[in-house]
Amino acid sequence: GENVEQHPSTLSVQEGDSAVIKCTYSDSASNYFPWYKQELGKRPQLIIDIRSNVGEKKDQRIAVTLNKTAKHFSLHITETQPEDSAVYFCAAPSRDDKVIFGPGTSLSVIP
Amino acid sequence: DSGVTQTPKHLITATGQRVTLRCSPRSGDLSVYWYQQSLDQGLQFLIQYYNGEERAKGNILERFSAQQFPDLHSELNLSSLELGDSALYFCASSVGTTGNTIYFGEGSWLTVV
Repeated sequence: GENVEQHPSTLSVQEGDSAVIKCTYSDSASNYFPWYKQELGKRPQLIIDIRSNVGEKKDQRIAVTLNKTAKHFSLHITETQPEDSAVYFCAAPSRDDKVIFGPGTSLSVIP
Repeated sequence: DSGVTQTPKHLITATGQRVTLRCSPRSGDLSVYWYQQSLDQGLQFLIQYYNGEERAKGNILERFSAQQFPDLHSELNLSSLELGDSALYFCASSVGTTGNTIYFGEGSWLTVV
């Protein structure tokens, strides 16, 4: 069945350092890979996404890379700031249209 | 504001009771998704509807049911409530089915006492 794994579960970095979160999916039919940021008590919000026809996408300090062969994609945040502290979720749709989210990564950026 | 509207925002009810959560998708979106998020937990996929029809089903309990109406709003019904059902229930919507950006509502906080 569909499965989305996410690592690490928690991540603590110094302000200004980079953070990388990796997501692994099982359904080879998945073709759209979003990343969401959820601040405490708020709704998840899309921060970046990538489709299977590209290997990398960048938006200012945030980038996502995709390796379809290995079935994993990663979120890269550079020059981290305290406001980047949140829980980050990856997601991958399965062939039966379920959109399954990873378990989340709690990122703490230490000033 | 994502354009997805959920009511009520907060709800406290007793065990054994039944509640209905309501969701209005973004204008133009045909898909509605329901997710459950317990304290410090991830987003558990419950069910998805597309243009009034059930599209995909996740780990939704038999005590829970949902539907999407002709005007595309959706309701999630939770019955015989247990303490463990206390959670944040998110509704989300997208234009189509797979491969489309999902936009989340603010969620409905359910507390079962």
